[in-house]
Amino acid sequence: EAQVTQNPRYLITVTGKKLTVTCSQNMNHEYMSWYRQDPGLGLRQIYYSMNVEVTDKGDVPEGYKVSRKEKRNFPLILESPSPNQTSLYFCASSPDGAGGYNEQFFGPGTRLTVL
Amino acid sequence: AQTVTQSQPEMSVQEAETVTLSCTYDTSESDYYLFWYKQPPSRQMILVIRQEAYKQQNATENRFSVNFQKAAKSFSLKISDSQLGDAAMYFCAYRSFDFGNEKLTFGTGTRLTIIP
Repeated sequence: EAQVTQNPRYLITVTGKKLTVTCSQNMNHEYMSWYRQDPGLGLRQIYYSMNVEVTDKGDVPEGYKVSRKEKRNFPLILESPSPNQTSLYFCASSPDGAGGYNEQFFGPGTRLTVL
Repeated sequence: AQTVTQSQPEMSVQEAETVTLSCTYDTSESDYYLFWYKQPPSRQMILVIRQEAYKQQNATENRFSVNFQKAAKSFSLKISDSQLGDAAMYFCAYRSFDFGNEKLTFGTGTRLTIIP
């Protein structure tokens, strides 16, 4: 089954404790992206990747890091989480970065709470 | 930068009736794509319908259709014969036509309640 998976689905942590949210897709997609969803703000892009070893900032990159060492994986790293990073996080992928009518496939979301 | 506005935080409709969700956007681009996503309580983001700005014909997908008014920068979603399973948060989204980042710019969402 074609899908985007995220782990963990739920995470409660404390301020300053480094964490990684994994994202993996099995569709051989080149493009991957991370969004965060906050009430009243919709979804906002954090980082994106056009291909392996090619990443760039989105609209709200502060406090986050990403890496793309393999085509299928695009982990989101919070090196020193803070309470304002409490949010619902989505990973998404699409076939390539050529724009067009490509549908973006979303993962199931990760609910992160930073105390 | 593009912006997307959904002015109705909440809507409700009687089952089997028709409801229209509003979306307006601001852009200086002439070519772009517009989307409606559904987010049920499971939180999964599900693509409902999409529209290419250079196509004048409004997109339709079964009970879902859009009213795309390019000059007015309006992209409303009409749901006909509403069903209980349509209850969800609905997001309007914009994507630039240009090669490169396929970033979706989302509105703030409209929560749709279906009344049995």
